[in-house]
Amino acid sequence: RKEVEQDPGPFNVPEGATVAFNCTYSNSASQSFFWYRQDCRKEPKLLMSVYSSGNEDGRFTAQLNRASQYISLLIRDSKLSDSATYLCVVPFSGGYQKVTFGTGTKLQVIP
Amino acid sequence: SQTIHQWPATLVQPVGSPLSLECTVEGTSNPNLYWYRQAAGRGLQLLFYSVGIGQISSEVPQNLSASRPQDRQFILSSKKLLLSDSGFYLCAWGGLAGVEQFFGPGTRLTVL
Repeated sequence: RKEVEQDPGPFNVPEGATVAFNCTYSNSASQSFFWYRQDCRKEPKLLMSVYSSGNEDGRFTAQLNRASQYISLLIRDSKLSDSATYLCVVPFSGGYQKVTFGTGTKLQVIP
Repeated sequence: SQTIHQWPATLVQPVGSPLSLECTVEGTSNPNLYWYRQAAGRGLQLLFYSVGIGQISSEVPQNLSASRPQDRQFILSSKKLLLSDSGFYLCAWGGLAGVEQFFGPGTRLTVL
């Protein structure tokens, strides 16, 4: 199993829709996870962290399912500006100072 | 607040030429520093990371090297570029645990 796997998409959703992405990970000892957002030809930017209790920030909700080893990102009331690639990040199993990035899920919000 | 700078923003180099990309961080001390490469349409590949001055860990054997001459400066170099070195090079800094990382604006390198 890969350290982290994401559905590459693209997810094409209309404005106002709710969309959810999942990301599976292999290291059962991982404690913290992150979602990053990457706009086309730009650097990734930290969107939110995911801990055991989950995390909510406005229209964005991140949750952790430790039993099934996946994290999810839910976006409610999608905006055109949400169009981007969403990267899942997990700590590297071989060392605490590194992380592994997923290849990302592309979201396209359509007018 | 912390900021991270990278330059140049874009670079076009011929095959066989040398490379030097620089990254500097402001507003933090003793950060972990990282170099990543992202090929077109691909994920982020960790190239090097450093936990302190002069300490470099290489993740992928290739014709690139990295150096950290000062606490908040990280340099990526090559003596002879290959076509396959084309990509988007990103520098990042992280805290002691390294799990949260913050990226610079990147350098888009095209090797012709």
